[in-house]
Amino acid sequence: QVQLVQSGAEVKKPGASVKVSCKASGYTFSDHYVHWVRQAPGQGLEWMGTISPSGDRTSYAQNFQGRVTMTRDTSTSTVYMELTSLRSDDTAVFYCASEKSGSGWFDPWGQGTLVIVSS
Amino acid sequence: QSALTQPASVSGSPGQSITISCTGTSSDLGGGYNYVSWYQHHPGKAPKVMIYDVSKRPSGVSDRFSASKSGNTASLTISGLQAEDEADYYCCSYVGRSTYVFGSGTKVTVL
Repeated sequence: QVQLVQSGAEVKKPGASVKVSCKASGYTFSDHYVHWVRQAPGQGLEWMGTISPSGDRTSYAQNFQGRVTMTRDTSTSTVYMELTSLRSDDTAVFYCASEKSGSGWFDPWGQGTLVIVSS
Repeated sequence: QSALTQPASVSGSPGQSITISCTGTSSDLGGGYNYVSWYQHHPGKAPKVMIYDVSKRPSGVSDRFSASKSGNTASLTISGLQAEDEADYYCCSYVGRSTYVFGSGTKVTVL
């Protein structure tokens, strides 16, 4: 079964960091980019960035530059997204999504990880 | 990069057709890339791709969904509207340098 499984919900204090994982199974993950998408409560989808199949290249949205780091462990088919200096407005559901290299569209998606930032 | 502009809501009766617009600029939708996709998102679930490459449907997606693009505007049409189509819909465009942008999202209500 082709799927991405993300780590569980997190509660963090302002100023802390969070690291969310996204593990692939059921397909050739090694030729897929992985993207991260944020959805704040009541808001739309926001593209955060992407990491290349080999993990050697990343591209981040300007809104997250300097605060986000995406990494990849090819041996375990897992991608990580770390967001630092958390603020209350970072409270959101974070999704990972897979893109077959060069396809330009995202499928499958992970189930989403809720991150709550609260003092 | 600003979000692409979509209407906040669109509604229709069962069996009717509705069209959702997605408007950008010459830097994104009008930038010559054909990597435009559309996603259906039911609250609490993972988004699902409905359209890719402007107008192509992935296997398993109903042919009631169709899409096109002209200039800086992409459009998604849902024909024969059904109750199960009630969801949020987002367009997404490649904007160069390995970056993407989503639309602001449209809530589709089946009356």
